[in-house]
Amino acid sequence: TQLLEQSPQFLSIQEGENLTVYCNSSSVFSSLQWYRQEPGEGPVLLVTVVTGGEVKKLKRLTFQFGDARKDSSLHITAAQPGDTGLYLCAGGAAGNKLTFGGGTRVLVKP
Amino acid sequence: DAEITQSPRHKITETGRQVTLACHQTWNHNNMFWYRQDLGHGLRLIHYSYGVQDTNKGEVSDGYSVSRSNTEDLPLTLESAASSQTSVYFCASSASGGLTEAFFGQGTRLTVV
Repeated sequence: TQLLEQSPQFLSIQEGENLTVYCNSSSVFSSLQWYRQEPGEGPVLLVTVVTGGEVKKLKRLTFQFGDARKDSSLHITAAQPGDTGLYLCAGGAAGNKLTFGGGTRVLVKP
Repeated sequence: DAEITQSPRHKITETGRQVTLACHQTWNHNNMFWYRQDLGHGLRLIHYSYGVQDTNKGEVSDGYSVSRSNTEDLPLTLESAASSQTSVYFCASSASGGLTEAFFGQGTRLTVV
């Protein structure tokens, strides 16, 4: 079974600060996806990274896939209260099955 | 607009009862998945299907079953509900082939008392 570990489990910061969430595995994944989930809703896809070393930017969010395709990070610059939510990484495997990490709960205080 | 809907949104049932959670998608996706979400465990795969009449077990399939009689629906049945199955259940669908986005329903909060 492929496992993904996210750290930290919980992060509380002030508006304007930066934060980084990590997603690590001992297994190689063909792709890595990041989702954000808000209370009472299902996860929504933010980004997919597929190439080792790949970096993708989505406004203030920067996603990186490790060279060996075993780890990924999500960096948020100048966080805003609207960034509050549960961030989930998911490793892609054959058949579009996803293995999810345990999630990082982010709270951005105004 | 295409969507994926789950029903009911909330359900309370008694131990030992059979419960069925509905999932309906209008994306015309071949792939459908059921996950459960518990604190500290993220989302864990229960069952999945790649098309009509196809079903497969995920990592936590014991006590659950699914059937796929058409493209749009993948109902999840708890044969005999147990307190350990108290959780939030999410259905998802995705298109076939390559790297595709998974679209999730809003979830069903199930409490087994």
